[in-house]
Amino acid sequence: AQKVTQAQTEISVVEKEDVTLDCVYETRDTTYYLFWYKQPPSGELVFLIRRNSFDEQNEISGRYSWNFQKSTSSFNFTITASQVVDSAVYFCALSEGIDSGGSNYKLTFGKGTLLTVNP
Amino acid sequence: KAGVTQTPRYLIKTRGQQVTLSCSPISGHRSVSWYQQTPGQGLQFLFEYFSETQRNKGNFPGRFSGRQFSNSRSEMNVSTLELGDSALYLCASSLGPFPGSPQHFGDGTRLSIL
Repeated sequence: AQKVTQAQTEISVVEKEDVTLDCVYETRDTTYYLFWYKQPPSGELVFLIRRNSFDEQNEISGRYSWNFQKSTSSFNFTITASQVVDSAVYFCALSEGIDSGGSNYKLTFGKGTLLTVNP
Repeated sequence: KAGVTQTPRYLIKTRGQQVTLSCSPISGHRSVSWYQQTPGQGLQFLFEYFSETQRNKGNFPGRFSGRQFSNSRSEMNVSTLELGDSALYLCASSLGPFPGSPQHFGDGTRLSIL
């Protein structure tokens, strides 16, 4: 089974629509981190957010919001009022195996969701 | 403040050769991580260096190695290149070790193996 599943391979929306990108993860660890990254057409990765397993508070940053639910092992990402500049591939990632020194982690990325926002 | 700089941007090699990629982190950043991105395998973690020490390594063969210098600049080396090593190699730097600090990525080095 995949450790990080991004079931939506591609999503296409029209500007100003809200869009939610799904991420479901699998781990037996109690201490882990979840991440979202953005990769625009230019290719560089952009770090968006990090959430540790003990912090289930939802987070909002401008038009971006994240919903972390341990009960369903999901860490979904919502873009409100999407814009053309939001067009990119979005990756969800899981870091597990965090020991006391934090150095033996295993980092797994999802396959990514290609979001296209049309004008 | 200059961002993460990766050189070269593009590289073409043939099977069996070796290659060295370079990453200059943001000034003051002590952690450098390397990732490989391919259409088939997606994004995969290669290794992380912090204060000149390899802190963690992903599931890659020994042909993939790296190092970090006292100025935090990092190099990764791939020996005996295979066709499957064709990929975008991304470097990220952060102030502290992963996952404690946000990462900043370079534009990547696109390596093509002929």
